[in-house]
Amino acid sequence: DAGVTQSPTHLIKTRGQQVTLRCSPKSGHDTVSWYQQALGQGPQFIFQYYEEEERQRGNFPDRFSGHQFPNYSSELNVNALLLGDSALYLCASSFGTANTEAFFGQGTRLTVV
Amino acid sequence: QQQVKQSPQSLIVQKGGISIINCAYENTAFDYFPWYQQFPGKGPALLIAIRPDVSEKKEGRFTISFNKSAKQFSLHIMDSQPGDSATYFCAASPLGNQFYFGTGTSLTVIP
Repeated sequence: DAGVTQSPTHLIKTRGQQVTLRCSPKSGHDTVSWYQQALGQGPQFIFQYYEEEERQRGNFPDRFSGHQFPNYSSELNVNALLLGDSALYLCASSFGTANTEAFFGQGTRLTVV
Repeated sequence: QQQVKQSPQSLIVQKGGISIINCAYENTAFDYFPWYQQFPGKGPALLIAIRPDVSEKKEGRFTISFNKSAKQFSLHIMDSQPGDSATYFCAASPLGNQFYFGTGTSLTVIP
């Protein structure tokens, strides 16, 4: 049983560019959450998708947007990249809206230069 | 504002010893308290979690102690092993909502 898979694993982008990160949830899970983890910090919640809709959103600007597909996979898009967007982006999946038993992927390391 | 405060920032324990990491919160709406283990370059892995209706939960060498009145919870790692060396994060959430993570504890277990 594959767990949560994210792609790509590493990415280098130039300031001002746009980036798309992808996530496939664990089999049987239908809820996807995205987190940003700066170096040496705990993950910070970006948003959560359930039934193809953004259900909750953390304190992140509109440059951060997402999408969930009918197969429950998800994308995170970041526009107009800033140097401060450099971080590990984590996807977590769970079943239903209770959000217990959330499993994380290995993350995408984004470096903005 | 840090919703979940975690301490210590780093911890060094001898092999076979007990590792203890503490977390505190203020939001009484928090209803679910997981602990995650993270190795360098990897995503966090769920270790153990507790709901506030119990004061303790044990899974193998890992135990969560929960004090609802003090709004504190802690992770105890018994018989700590070098393979336990990792960063540990506590988290809290109102059920069905986002996780608020602590700042992490870097644990080093010395052989």
